[in-house]
Amino acid sequence: QKEVEQDPGPLSVPEGAIVSLNCTYSNSAFQYFMWYRQYSRKGPELLMYTYSSGNKEDGRFTAQVDKSSKYISLFIRDSQPSDSATYLCAIRNSGNTPLVFGKGTRLSVIA
Amino acid sequence: ETGVTQSPTHLIKTRGQQVTLRCSSQSGHNTVSWYQQALGQGPQFIFQYYREEENGRGNFPPRFSGLQFPNYSSELNVNALELDDSALYLCASSSPTSGRPTNTGELFFGEGSRLTVL
Repeated sequence: QKEVEQDPGPLSVPEGAIVSLNCTYSNSAFQYFMWYRQYSRKGPELLMYTYSSGNKEDGRFTAQVDKSSKYISLFIRDSQPSDSATYLCAIRNSGNTPLVFGKGTRLSVIA
Repeated sequence: ETGVTQSPTHLIKTRGQQVTLRCSSQSGHNTVSWYQQALGQGPQFIFQYYREEENGRGNFPPRFSGLQFPNYSSELNVNALELDDSALYLCASSSPTSGRPTNTGELFFGEGSRLTVL
């Protein structure tokens, strides 16, 4: 079993839709949960991070962590064509340990 | 503030050759990590350097090696290239965390060096 599982998609939605992206993980020691956005031919950029369980909201983006189920989610409200990118979940044990990434989900938001 | 810069952006090599990729870390960052991202995959951790010493390594063979210089820039060297080494190589810089939960040691990625091995 891989440490982090993420459905690679692709996922195509109309503009304005609510998007739900998800990852599952296997190691209960993970404490930091992050979402990176990667545009084509660019490096990943940090979008959201959450420590331990709970929700975190930033504008149109909400990150959720359920440690009991080992399940993390990213919700995008009122999706825009500019949100079209690959979304990578990433998890780490502590602030100095390597990131373990999911495969990434490719999202297309159609105008 | 200068971000993470990598060079070259693209290169093509043949099997058996050697390659050196370079990375300049973001101003104020003393930790550099290298990741390999194959097509359609998430980045995989290769190794990390902190104050010129390797202090963490992923599941990559010894032909993947690195250096960090006093100015915190870094190199990734790959010897005896194989076809499966074709990938986007990402460099990320960060500052070490204090261990507090709110300080994640955020990684700032460069745009990568795309290596094709023929």
